[in-house]
Amino acid sequence: GDSVTQMEGPVTLSEEAFLTINCTYTATGYPSLFWYVQYPGEGLQLLLKATKADDKGSNKGFEATYRKETTSFHLEKGSVQVSDSAVYFCALREAGNTPLVFGKGTRLSVIA
Amino acid sequence: NAGVTQTPKFQVLKTGQSMTLQCAQDMNHNSMYWYRQDPGMGLRLIYYSASEGTTDKGEVPNGYNVSRLNKREFSLRLESAAPSQTSVYFCASRPRQALGTDTQYFGPGTRLTVL
Repeated sequence: GDSVTQMEGPVTLSEEAFLTINCTYTATGYPSLFWYVQYPGEGLQLLLKATKADDKGSNKGFEATYRKETTSFHLEKGSVQVSDSAVYFCALREAGNTPLVFGKGTRLSVIA
Repeated sequence: NAGVTQTPKFQVLKTGQSMTLQCAQDMNHNSMYWYRQDPGMGLRLIYYSASEGTTDKGEVPNGYNVSRLNKREFSLRLESAAPSQTSVYFCASRPRQALGTDTQYFGPGTRLTVL
């Protein structure tokens, strides 16, 4: 079945550091790919998405590129802030009315 | 426009008790979902409803039942709670695919403890 693997945390960075959170996937078809973010005590919010190969999703300084050849969708940000501290989830959805499949999440802590 | 709402926010049960977690959305979405979130496990799908009148099992349905009461509401019932069901439960909804978006919207969660 479909699956998502993302790097284990926690990840601790200093403010203004560069962030990469790795995500790879296994899917039978051509899924859409997503990054969701969960701030402390809240539900998940969509951060960015990409629906086909070579698409780049971006939002709030975060970026991720859909790489079909490496089945990857790594999340990057050039300069993190304390307010980016959260849990980040990579997810995929196959075509059709199918549910999202999530990775296990990566906790990011940014210290001033 | 409240989005996805869940009640209660917190609940403590004793083993064997039953309860229903409520979820409602006011965005006229077709699909609704129930997930549980456990440390180190990410989000796991319990049940989902692709459209009003249909429900399907997800990855971890045992010990749960659901009801899609109408287009707005999707409830999750624990008939006989067990400590293994201690978790944070999230409800989510998504519009009809033909509308050109597949963004899923999440509620704030219900933190359930079973003693």
